[in-house]
Amino acid sequence: GQNIDQPTEMTATEGAIVQINCTYQTSGFNGLFWYQQHAGEAPTFLSYNVLDGLEEKGRFSSFLSRSKGYSYLLLKELQMKDSASYLCAVRAVDDKIIFGKGTRLHILP
Amino acid sequence: KAGVTQTPRYLIKTRGQQVTLSCSPISGHRSVSWYQQTPGQGLQFLFEYFSETQRNKGNFPGRFSGRQFSNSRSEMNVSTLELGDSALYLCASSQDRGGETQYFGPGTRLLVL
Repeated sequence: GQNIDQPTEMTATEGAIVQINCTYQTSGFNGLFWYQQHAGEAPTFLSYNVLDGLEEKGRFSSFLSRSKGYSYLLLKELQMKDSASYLCAVRAVDDKIIFGKGTRLHILP
Repeated sequence: KAGVTQTPRYLIKTRGQQVTLSCSPISGHRSVSWYQQTPGQGLQFLFEYFSETQRNKGNFPGRFSGRQFSNSRSEMNVSTLELGDSALYLCASSQDRGGETQYFGPGTRLLVL
């Protein structure tokens, strides 16, 4: 079966660093996405990993280990506007994109 | 470039009715995917259209159908609505199949009474 696991909720402090983990078991693997979704809004693209390693984009970085079926999203210098849900998604066989249920991140001042 | 647009934004229907939702992708994008989002299940893939052909389908009953037109605009239809169909329906477009990035529209929030 297809399964993507990520924590339901996390809390962090403004200015700190937080790591959101995602593990997956899917039929085939053609890439992993991270999306940010603010309450009441559509998801917006953050990152895409298809090879092992770390991809850095400003305050956000995403890591992938295909052999371990594992990824994480690292958010640095947290800001209040980073309070949102973070969705991990895998492009599996036949290019179907499967989403995890999301991690709701709360930022405390 | 204009983003992905979806109409209507909100819809209230009663059980047994049918509904049609519309999605206009970003200009030049040929792939359109549809998702259902509910608090309990998260985002679930419904189907993907590319060049007017359904390329992929998720695990939803046959009451859910869609189509894509020659200008890449897409519609999805849900017949014989059930209470459990209440959800946010999101459409996402990408330039080609297997593209790195999908751009989501604002969604249509459907409430079935």
